[in-house]
Amino acid sequence: KNEVEQSPQNLTAQEGEFITINCSYSVGISALHWLQQHPGGGIVSLFMLSSGKKKHGRLIATINIQEKHSSLHITASHPRDSAVYICAVIQGAQKLVFGQGTRLTINP
Amino acid sequence: DGGITQSPKYLFRKEGQNVTLSCEQNLNHDAMYWYRQDPGQGLRLIYYSQIVNDFQKGDIAEGYSVSREKKESFPLTVTSAQKNPTAFYLCASSISALVGNTGELFFGEGSRLTVL
Repeated sequence: KNEVEQSPQNLTAQEGEFITINCSYSVGISALHWLQQHPGGGIVSLFMLSSGKKKHGRLIATINIQEKHSSLHITASHPRDSAVYICAVIQGAQKLVFGQGTRLTINP
Repeated sequence: DGGITQSPKYLFRKEGQNVTLSCEQNLNHDAMYWYRQDPGQGLRLIYYSQIVNDFQKGDIAEGYSVSREKKESFPLTVTSAQKNPTAFYLCASSISALVGNTGELFFGEGSRLTVL
């Protein structure tokens, strides 16, 4: 079993829908990243959080340290949100462990 | 604009050849990382460097080598000893090595290596 599990692996939705991507981890962490990988392969950091909730535009990330779970939400989804979303946890002082990613497709 | 530049974006190599992937950053970051991405798997750490003239092996360092002669540059050489080198390679940097809440990551656009 992977230390970081994301669900679903693939998600297809219609424009405007509310999207939720989940990340569960089995190890102790100091913080968690949500990353977005575009079709060309480049990766952009969306959020880094260690507790509570962060919001940036239509994106919201939450984390529950006790339950070892984080969620990424997208409100009013748009085709340009189509990408692979990756959860990565910081384990110990500097070890970063990545989930396999969730491929999101938003249809017009 | 500040960022990370990887080159080449696509690279083809014959078996038995060494190839070097370039990674340059102008963010004044101390820490730099090389990751490998394979289909259906999470990114895996090859090597990382916390400071100039120092680097450490990651989880899958065999068949790879790096150098960190300048703060801005962290090239990765894929040697002929790497048994399955076809993959997508990503370089990243952070202000300092990931410690607690200080490790925001910046990534390059990646280099796709194909061994023929």
